[in-house]
Amino acid sequence: DSGVTQTPKHLITATGQRVTLRCSPRSGDLSVYWYQQSLDQGLQFLIQYYNGEERAKGNILERFSAQQFPDLHSELNLSSLELGDSALYFCASSAGTGFAEAFFGQGTRLTVV
Amino acid sequence: ELKVEQNPLFLSMQEGKNYTIYCNYSTTSDRLYWYRQDPGKSLESLFVLLSNGAVKQEGRLMASLDTKARLSTLHITAAVHDLSATYFCAVVRSNYQLIWGAGTKLIIKP
Repeated sequence: DSGVTQTPKHLITATGQRVTLRCSPRSGDLSVYWYQQSLDQGLQFLIQYYNGEERAKGNILERFSAQQFPDLHSELNLSSLELGDSALYFCASSAGTGFAEAFFGQGTRLTVV
Repeated sequence: ELKVEQNPLFLSMQEGKNYTIYCNYSTTSDRLYWYRQDPGKSLESLFVLLSNGAVKQEGRLMASLDTKARLSTLHITAAVHDLSATYFCAVVRSNYQLIWGAGTKLIIKP
């Protein structure tokens, strides 16, 4: 168990809908990272938050947004969902701003039908 | 643009054999990671390599880094079935983003 908790584990939804994925980092970690893993794109970095502030942005679509709350948990919001958004979404956390010693959650498998 | 290439992408081998997975990257980076992923599971950190010539070993796995050649290797010694998984290398960009290789799916047959 990495200490990073993601909910839900599985999510099935229809195209055009909006979903929210939740991540609770390890105790004491200030950074949260979101990744998308799909068969055709591999692992893609989406976005990083550090202590409530956006730190780095990757290949995140405009339909997607994220935030980190004062209690340090993070949410990834995916809207106007398309079939191609079906993927495994991982959250990772680390103590500092860099990626050293980051730990991954179990992921949320999103299926868009 | 930083690119990370792994090869092979798929490897089927017999137990007891040795093999090496290669990770090449296109621009300078000061940190390289190796991760393991079991099917449908999360990513588990195996090694962090921080400097040229770094070598780390854990059990039957050994990772090394040559920053001049921009090459890391993950060597498997006397493979056992439990090592079957997908192995990823990832390289840090200057803004702390990780750029991932495509992964090497390793199947070890008894």
